[in-house]
Amino acid sequence: KAGVTQTPRYLIKTRGQQVTLSCSPISGHRSVSWYQQTPGQGLQFLFEYFSETQRNKGNFPGRFSGRQFSNSRSEMNVSTLELGDSALYLCASSPLTSDRKLFFGSGTQLSVL
Amino acid sequence: DQQVKQNSPSLSVQEGRISILNCDYTNSMFDYFLWYKKYPAEGPTFLISISSIKDKNEDGRFTVFLNKSAKHLSLHIVPSQPGDSAVYFCAASALQGAQKLVFGQGTRLTINP
Repeated sequence: KAGVTQTPRYLIKTRGQQVTLSCSPISGHRSVSWYQQTPGQGLQFLFEYFSETQRNKGNFPGRFSGRQFSNSRSEMNVSTLELGDSALYLCASSPLTSDRKLFFGSGTQLSVL
Repeated sequence: DQQVKQNSPSLSVQEGRISILNCDYTNSMFDYFLWYKKYPAEGPTFLISISSIKDKNEDGRFTVFLNKSAKHLSLHIVPSQPGDSAVYFCAASALQGAQKLVFGQGTRLTINP
């Protein structure tokens, strides 16, 4: 089975721009979550989607948004980029088993200049 | 408000010895705990988990211990191998919002030959 695929792998943007990141979950996994990893804050939960609906949301401003498509693929968008948005963005999918295990992709490294 | 804390940013252990990584949490609603391992430029990989109804879970060289009264868990790796060198994250989840993992800051484990 292929793992979680995230594209692009690296991205460089300038302040004020917007960016869209893509995630393809493991086949059969219907839950997709997004996390932000920064050196100072560690791994922080952004949001989770299941069956095209956002089920949970972390403490991030409204500039951070996401969506999920009928094939479970997900995108996250960040508008009006700030320098502090530079981070590794990780997508995770879950088969929703009782062990609550998440399977992570390799991430998209976003640099905002 | 850091609900999951890993107080040791780094740990150095000799090959063949036991590695013990610690994690503390504050939220009593957490009922499931997971350990993830992360190599640079890769997403976190699931290692082992434990439900709050247990106090120990073992998988090969990895054992996780949970002390609910102290709100403390630890990961034991024995014997430690050079390939175990990585950053280890402790994560916790509550039944409400089960796919939302709250991560600690991570501990960088280095296994010395």
